[in-house]
Amino acid sequence: QKEVEQNSGPLSVPEGAIASLNCTYSDRGSQSFFWYRQYSGKSPELIMSIYSNGDKEDGRFTAQLNKASQYVSLLIRDSQPSDSATYLCAVNAGDNYGQNFVFGPGTRLSVLP
Amino acid sequence: EAGVTQFPSHSVIEKGQTVTLRCDPISGHDNLYWYRRVMGKEIKFLLHFVKESKQDESGMPNNRFLAERTGGTYSTLKVQPAELEDSGVYFCASSQDGGLAVLTDTQYFGPGTRLTVL
Repeated sequence: QKEVEQNSGPLSVPEGAIASLNCTYSDRGSQSFFWYRQYSGKSPELIMSIYSNGDKEDGRFTAQLNKASQYVSLLIRDSQPSDSATYLCAVNAGDNYGQNFVFGPGTRLSVLP
Repeated sequence: EAGVTQFPSHSVIEKGQTVTLRCDPISGHDNLYWYRRVMGKEIKFLLHFVKESKQDESGMPNNRFLAERTGGTYSTLKVQPAELEDSGVYFCASSQDGGLAVLTDTQYFGPGTRLTVL
């Protein structure tokens, strides 16, 4: 059973601070990793994808991947109240010809003004 | 460009009835996925279509669920007969590339259909 784990939160940070979201996965063969943001009652929205070890930056967001530790994280710099949402970590558990996302339970982030 | 759309947004039915959910993927996307989130649980994969073919249906919970994608465009997910434990939010997603690049494909999600079985 392939699993993805996240702290459910809520994680509360003050406006302007760095929010750090963490995710671990069980399948050592996983090759692609995604962070989605979901506002209440809305669809998951892609924030970042990462496939190689190291950091990947996009604006205020940085994804970090460490395959040896089976760990992926998302840093949000200069957090804004509009970043308050549930952040879902998704790991592609599919084979070479398919995709099968395994999702974590999500971390609820609250950015306090 | 229109995103993934799903219909209906909400459905309330009684146990034993039939419900059909529809998903229209982003135009040109060959890959279509169904997921489900039941109350308090994480989003779970149901199945994956490549065009009109079922690539992976390992997540389908039982034979009360039937997914189709005739013509490789929109997809339907039928639950017959519905049970109480089928309540949840059903998401559809689509992605473009497939083939050897499929592992890095981004999946774009629809708004979901909230199903309540009474």
